[in-house]
Amino acid sequence: AQKITQTQPGMFVQEKEAVTLDCTYDTSDPSYGLFWYKQPSSGEMIFLIYQGSYDQQNATEGRYSLNFQKARKSANLVISASQLGDSAMYFCAMRGSSDKIIFGKGTRLHILP
Amino acid sequence: DAGITQSPRYKITETGRQVTLMCHQTWSHSYMFWYRQDLGHGLRLIYYSAAADITDKGEVPDGYVVSRSKTENFPLTLESATRSQTSVYFCASSVLMNTEAFFGQGTRLTVV
Repeated sequence: AQKITQTQPGMFVQEKEAVTLDCTYDTSDPSYGLFWYKQPSSGEMIFLIYQGSYDQQNATEGRYSLNFQKARKSANLVISASQLGDSAMYFCAMRGSSDKIIFGKGTRLHILP
Repeated sequence: DAGITQSPRYKITETGRQVTLMCHQTWSHSYMFWYRQDLGHGLRLIYYSAAADITDKGEVPDGYVVSRSKTENFPLTLESATRSQTSVYFCASSVLMNTEAFFGQGTRLTVV
């Protein structure tokens, strides 16, 4: 069975600092994908970044990077130079060979001015 | 408009009534998903579909029914609504297995 764990219910970070949101996963599938989504207070789900299990390098998208440690089964999201607009709920998700995408419980990030 | 749309955006219904939430996508994506979002639980998968006429249960399927007769539509039906089904429901779609899912705006359902 697949499982995603986000252990940080909430985080407070000073503006312009880097922030790491933790995500660990469990799967027996040899091939899988990992995703991060952002949900601002307006409610929409915004895709941020994707990492495939066979990708050799960590994924990056602008200020977002994914710290993928396969042996540890972790896929932490790193946001560099945080901004007030980064305040939101962040979800880690995984997709394995069964086609379904499952999500963690999320981390609420607060950026302080 | 292109994209994925859910209707209605807001719905209040009574316990025991049947209610259907609609989801329509214009991209011809193969995969479609239904999630519910509740405080403290994140997003939980209700049902998903890999193609027309192919559906499968997710993590919390009890009390829900889906169908997918056309690629672009994936309605979710609550056969006899209960208060525990009060939630925000999201529909999503994706092209392939190793690609991201695109989400609709969500439907806020209240069962009284």
